[in-house]
Parts: sequence; structure tokens; C-alpha cells
Amino acid sequence: GQQVMQIPQYQHVQEGEDFTTYCNSSTTLSNIQWYKQRPGGHPVFLIQLVKSGEVKKQKRLTFQFGEAKKNSSLHITATQTTDVGTYFCAGPPTSGTYKYIFGTGTRLKVLA
Amino acid sequence: KAGVTQTPRYLIKTRGQQVTLSCSPISGHRSVSWYQQTPGQGLQFLFEYFSETQRNKGNFPGRFSGRQFSNSRSEMNVSTLELGDSALYLCASSPGQLYNEQFFGPGTRLTVL
Repeated sequence: GQQVMQIPQYQHVQEGEDFTTYCNSSTTLSNIQWYKQRPGGHPVFLIQLVKSGEVKKQKRLTFQFGEAKKNSSLHITATQTTDVGTYFCAGPPTSGTYKYIFGTGTRLKVLA
Repeated sequence: KAGVTQTPRYLIKTRGQQVTLSCSPISGHRSVSWYQQTPGQGLQFLFEYFSETQRNKGNFPGRFSGRQFSNSRSEMNVSTLELGDSALYLCASSPGQLYNEQFFGPGTRLTVL
């Protein structure tokens, strides 16, 4: 079945350092969504990418969707303590199903 | 707009019992998806309902079932509970078209003793 892996699993950074998490799917994705889950909270939608090679920015966050639509990345510039949480990517297979497969997640800790 | 609500928030059951969890989506949303979140397996898709019909199903045993009502509220049921069913159960609502973002509820924390 479809698998979506994320690396790294954990990342500790000093406040102000940059952070990147990578998402790799075993199958082509029709689109990819990114979510953030704070400790003790629930996933919150960040962004969606649909087009091959697409790049989107939200303030300090930059999202990329690979050319082959099998991988994606989230880069945070100059991390802040508010960035703490687990970042998940999620996507359905290209067949257009409404079934979203979530990545394994990257837990980010930011040290002040 | 009110967010997604889930009841109860916490639940303790014993092995062999059954449990029913409830999810009320955002007003106007017709799709409700259910996920199981555990430290070991992460976020796993259970099923998705749209207009009272199960549209997609994950790889869970038949002990896990769900339904959706005409007002889009959804319930999921787990019968013959096992210790491994202890998890955070999250529901997410969306308008129901392709490429819609999902809005998650706070979840129900189920502990099976």
C-alpha cells in the first residue's frame, strides 16, 4: 500500500536556526497537504500544493512539491519557539481518492 | 463558525467492551473522515463519509465501523475493544470536494484497560 515517510523523525534546533522536513511518498500524489500539530493539540491545516514543482511561501515557511509529485518539503527560516510541534504531510494517490495518507511526521523542538 | 466538535473527549473502557464516538462537523461540511493516532503508528485513516455514504475506507478490521447522519454528524463504533485500540481518535470535516483542506476536531482519547 501507499507509504509516506518523513525525515527527520525528530529535530532540535536553537531558536533562530532554520529547519527543514522532507516528505517522500511511495506513489505519485495528486496533491499534498501540510499540517501542524502542537503538543496536546490536533492537526491544523497549513497549506496545500497541487502542481508539479509548485512552491508556496507563508511568512517564514516555504513549501515545495516535487517535479514527480512524490516528494515535498517544508522549510522554516529563523525558527521561533511558537514553531514547536509535529509537522505532517498528507496526500491521496493520484487516482483522486478522498483517502488521505499521512506521513510519519517530524517533531520539532526549538530551544530558546 | 463553530469548529469541529467531538464527544466525549476522554473515555476509559475495558477489553471486550464496545464504544461509540461522535463527531459534529463544521456547518455546511458534508465530509467527515476519521483517523486513529498512536505514538507507534502515527495518523492512520479509518474511513470517510460523504452525504451519509462511506466513500473511502482504510485498512482496519471490521470491528471499526461508522455512519453519518443526514445532518452530517458522524459516529464511529469500535466493538470488542482490544488493548491496542487505545489511541486518540480524530475526526476531520471538509466541504467534500477534491483538494479541500481538512478541519480536525480536538479528538477523543480512548484508553482500553
